[in-house]
Amino acid sequence: QKEVEQNSGPLSVPEGAIASLNCTYSDRGSQSFFWYRQYSGKSPELIMFIYSNGDKEDGRFTAQLNKASQYVSLLIRDSQPSDSATYLCAVERGSSNTGKLIFGQGTTLQVKP
Amino acid sequence: SAVISQKPSRDICQRGTSLTIQCQVDSQVTMMFWYRQQPGQSLTLIATANQGSEATYESGFVIDKFPISRPNLTFSTLTVSNMSPEDSSIYLCSTTGTDGSQPQHFGDGTRLSIL
Repeated sequence: QKEVEQNSGPLSVPEGAIASLNCTYSDRGSQSFFWYRQYSGKSPELIMFIYSNGDKEDGRFTAQLNKASQYVSLLIRDSQPSDSATYLCAVERGSSNTGKLIFGQGTTLQVKP
Repeated sequence: SAVISQKPSRDICQRGTSLTIQCQVDSQVTMMFWYRQQPGQSLTLIATANQGSEATYESGFVIDKFPISRPNLTFSTLTVSNMSPEDSSIYLCSTTGTDGSQPQHFGDGTRLSIL
């Protein structure tokens, strides 16, 4: 079992729709969770981070965390073609502030005009 | 967040040679990390660069192949030694906040191709 799992996609949504990206993780002790966006040929860019169960909203982005189910998701509302990218879920290994991130394989999102 | 600069941005190297990648941060940071992203793959942590002591390597990565230095709180280098085509990857430096808190941000990366 991979430590962090994501569907590779591609996930295709029409412009203006809600894109839902999902991630599961295996380490029950993990406390910190991150979503990065990576455009082709570029380095990862932090979009959201979440530490507590529940929802966290920032503009069009909402991160959701359920530690009991070991599940974290990212919702993108009013999706735009510029949102087309690979979205990487990252989980900090361990329960303390190790800084060591384990990444999923990434989900490719395509937003069609 | 801190501004992270990497040099070189890209390079093409011959097999058997070594290349040193530099990572410079514009403010003092507690933690610095090196990641590798192989073609079509996600990121894999190589090591934690510790200031004033030896780096901490992840499983599958060894010091002889990837020696790392961190002489101060704003600078680190990663050397890729005795390169083979399998080392063709993007190498990324990342840091946490100035107080050691998350989240991490990444430099622009070094795109390395081995012929």
